[in-house]
Amino acid sequence: EVQLVESGGALVQPGGSLRLSCAASGFTFRSYWMSWVRQAPGKGLEWVANIKHDGAEMSYVDSVKGRFTISRDNAHNVLYLQMRSLRAEDTAVYYCARGLIPKWQFYFDFWGQGALVAVSS
Amino acid sequence: QSVLIQPPSASGTPGQRITISCSGSTSNVGSNAVHWYQQLPGTAPKLLIYRNNQRPSGVPDRFSGSKSDTSASLAISRLQSEDEADYYCAVWDDRLNGPVFGGGTKLTVL
Repeated sequence: EVQLVESGGALVQPGGSLRLSCAASGFTFRSYWMSWVRQAPGKGLEWVANIKHDGAEMSYVDSVKGRFTISRDNAHNVLYLQMRSLRAEDTAVYYCARGLIPKWQFYFDFWGQGALVAVSS
Repeated sequence: QSVLIQPPSASGTPGQRITISCSGSTSNVGSNAVHWYQQLPGTAPKLLIYRNNQRPSGVPDRFSGSKSDTSASLAISRLQSEDEADYYCAVWDDRLNGPVFGGGTKLTVL
């Protein structure tokens, strides 16, 4: 059974940093693209970042470029999202999701339960 | 404003058939496959339809998807109370080089 379990969510002050983790199990983690998708309170879904199965390629939504870094540890089946210079508008539930390629039909077939990040003074 | 446009709300009575639209452009819906996600209240999104019209194992055949040019639709037939949820369309956008979501449609079963 595929499982994705996020951790690391917290309340953080504007300008602060936080790292989210996503522990994966039930599938060959190193064979899949992985992503982070967020949902602000009462709002819709927004893709945040992708990482290729081998970690060689990453991409980000414009609003987090230069502030967020997606990475992975294929030896321990963990996905990360390092977030810096956090802003109030980054407040959201962050979901870890498994992505299926190729890009023209890219979709998320499994999602974690989410981790809440709240940015406030 | 989302890249993909969905109606913010939809409603129907049990047993009815409803459709939810998703409008995009040539850089996304017009050239790539559309997918749909269902988000029940207080839960994580779940894949509902992939590659325009494919259902994952376990999704009832009451749910169906279609795509034409730069628009896509999700149809739900024989509506049930447990279908009350938010529905999102999504697709890869070639110009943005990433997946994009519609703004979501909140379905109410009256």
